[in-house]
Amino acid sequence: EDKVVQSPLSLVVHEGDTVTLNCSYEVTNFRSLLWYKQEKKAPTFLFMLTSSGIEKKSGRLSSILDKKELSSILNITATQTGDSAIYLCAVDELSGTYKYIFGTGTRLKVLA
Amino acid sequence: NAGVTQTPKFRVLKTGQSMTLLCAQDMNHEYMYWYRQDPGMGLRLIHYSVGEGTTAKGEVPDGYNVSRLKKQNFLLGLESAAPSQTSVYFCASRSNRGNGYTFGSGTRLTVV
Repeated sequence: EDKVVQSPLSLVVHEGDTVTLNCSYEVTNFRSLLWYKQEKKAPTFLFMLTSSGIEKKSGRLSSILDKKELSSILNITATQTGDSAIYLCAVDELSGTYKYIFGTGTRLKVLA
Repeated sequence: NAGVTQTPKFRVLKTGQSMTLLCAQDMNHEYMYWYRQDPGMGLRLIHYSVGEGTTAKGEVPDGYNVSRLKKQNFLLGLESAAPSQTSVYFCASRSNRGNGYTFGSGTRLTVV
């Protein structure tokens, strides 16, 4: 059965800390891995990682895909209270339907 | 603003009642999806559509029906609501290009 597993389930840090969130996956035909940030409402897109784009960076956030280990990490440096959210990892399979398999998410709380 | 609009935002139903959730997108996206989000379960796919007039079952389709009569609209119906359907429902859409889903803001449904 295809699945996506995220760890840790929750994390509490102080402003300025660096955090690493993990995502591992088992899917039959991998196309891409996506990271989303979910605050109070809808998830918002952060990164898409594919075989041709295994590392992405935007400001304090960066992500790497390890296709050999079937995993990805999301790094957030110099965390701020505004980074508090649920971070979702999803995997897209080569099915032609763009159905995503989501992990359960990591809930990050950044304390001032 | 372009995007995905879900209505209603909140609803309380009694067991056995029926209702329809509406998802509308104005981005001319081919693909549309209905997910439910429960604590500790992540996002799970209910039904999806790869184009106007098409629908298909996702991971947790039981108790739900869908229709996509117009490209821009994707309706999710509950014929006889059950307390197990208490959840937050997200609609999403995407094109066959670009990066990932655009999500609606969600519908919080409580079945009592």
